[in-house]
Amino acid sequence: DGGITQSPKYLFRKEGQNVTLSCEQNLNHDAMYWYRQDPGQGLRLIYYSQIVNDFQKGDIAEGYSVSREKKESFPLTVTSAQKNPTAFYLCASSTSRLAGSHEQYFGPGTRLTVT
Amino acid sequence: AQSVTQLDSQVPVFEEAPVELRCNYSSSVSVYLFWYVQYPNQGLQLLLKYLSGSTLVKGINGFEAEFNKSQTSFHLRKPSVHISDTAEYFCAVSESSGGSNYKLTFGKGTLLTVNP
Repeated sequence: DGGITQSPKYLFRKEGQNVTLSCEQNLNHDAMYWYRQDPGQGLRLIYYSQIVNDFQKGDIAEGYSVSREKKESFPLTVTSAQKNPTAFYLCASSTSRLAGSHEQYFGPGTRLTVT
Repeated sequence: AQSVTQLDSQVPVFEEAPVELRCNYSSSVSVYLFWYVQYPNQGLQLLLKYLSGSTLVKGINGFEAEFNKSQTSFHLRKPSVHISDTAEYFCAVSESSGGSNYKLTFGKGTLLTVNP
């Protein structure tokens, strides 16, 4: 089945540690995205990548880093510089607008708790 | 830049009643509009989308939405809800022009609770 996988589903870390969240897609999509979701806040864009080896900051990139070495993979690192890292993190992907598609497809999410 | 306002943070309804979830947007350019649904501790699933053409859009699970350009609204409706419709619903907008601009802007969500 084609889709987006995020692992792990739940992640616990101590304050001051960096942590990397995994996102893999087998939809052959060009673009990938990371969102952060907090209660009552909706989804806020952290980083996005439209093509391999290229990515752009979203609205709340501070304290996060990403890489896009392969089309299928877009890992997100939450660094110790992120002041409030506890949240639900969602990865998404989309194909090229030139291909006529406009919606984003979402993974199941990773809930990160930092204490 | 665009923005999305979902006018109700919570909507409680009884089973088999009709429901409307309201969404207004702001943008200086033409837009595409989306409604997504999120069940607890899961990702988002696309309900329906408006790209062009008929302003009444039908989606999955019996939902529909109407695009109103003059009122910059895209309200979601269902004539008769089920317990299983209990979830959070997100309205989202993206620019329809701009080449490779893929970005979606989301509203803060509306929690629909269907009571027996």
